[in-house]
Amino acid sequence: EVQLVESGGGLVQPGGSLRLSCAASGFSFSTYEMNWVRQAPGKGLEWVSYISSSGSSIFYADSVKGRFTISRDNAKNLVYLQMSSLRAEDTAVYYCARYWDYLDYWGQGTLVTVSS
Amino acid sequence: EIVLTQSPATLSFSPGERATLSCRASQSVGTYLAWYQQKPGQAPRLLIYDVSNRATGVPARFSGSGSGTDFTLTISSLEPADFAVYYCQHRYTWPYNFGQGTKLEIK
Repeated sequence: EVQLVESGGGLVQPGGSLRLSCAASGFSFSTYEMNWVRQAPGKGLEWVSYISSSGSSIFYADSVKGRFTISRDNAKNLVYLQMSSLRAEDTAVYYCARYWDYLDYWGQGTLVTVSS
Repeated sequence: EIVLTQSPATLSFSPGERATLSCRASQSVGTYLAWYQQKPGQAPRLLIYDVSNRATGVPARFSGSGSGTDFTLTISSLEPADFAVYYCQHRYTWPYNFGQGTKLEIK
């Protein structure tokens, strides 16, 4: 069974940093592209970042470019999202999702709240 | 970047009725379009990919159509479990944007 479990969310002050992790199981992790998608409270979905299976290709939404860094560890079946210079508008549930042309499996999400 | 517009923001139907949801792209996305369903407190679920292909386990009452810039998700006979928010999403070029969503509510 495919499972994606996010962790690392919480309350952080504006300008602070946080690292999210996503633990994957139930599939051959190293052969899949992975993504982070977020959803602000009561709002729609925003694709935040993409990483290819090898990590050699990475994309970011303009809203997070230069502040967020996606990475992965294929030996540990983990994908990360390092977030820095956080702003109030980064407050959202962050989902990890597997990509096979589309986002076919999603984790349950981890809440990031940016507030003083 | 390609913008997807879903209208209207909310649709009201009764169970058993046929629902048609719209998604329009600001430029052609070919057939690289998907639909997701999201229920309150849950992660989104892939319903339809490449315009008209149902994802694993998706009931046959869900169907998709369209090409280029205009796309439609049809639910042939609404069941109580279908009342949710539906998002379209393209994968033509990065950023792979989502539409803003259409909420399907019970009349």
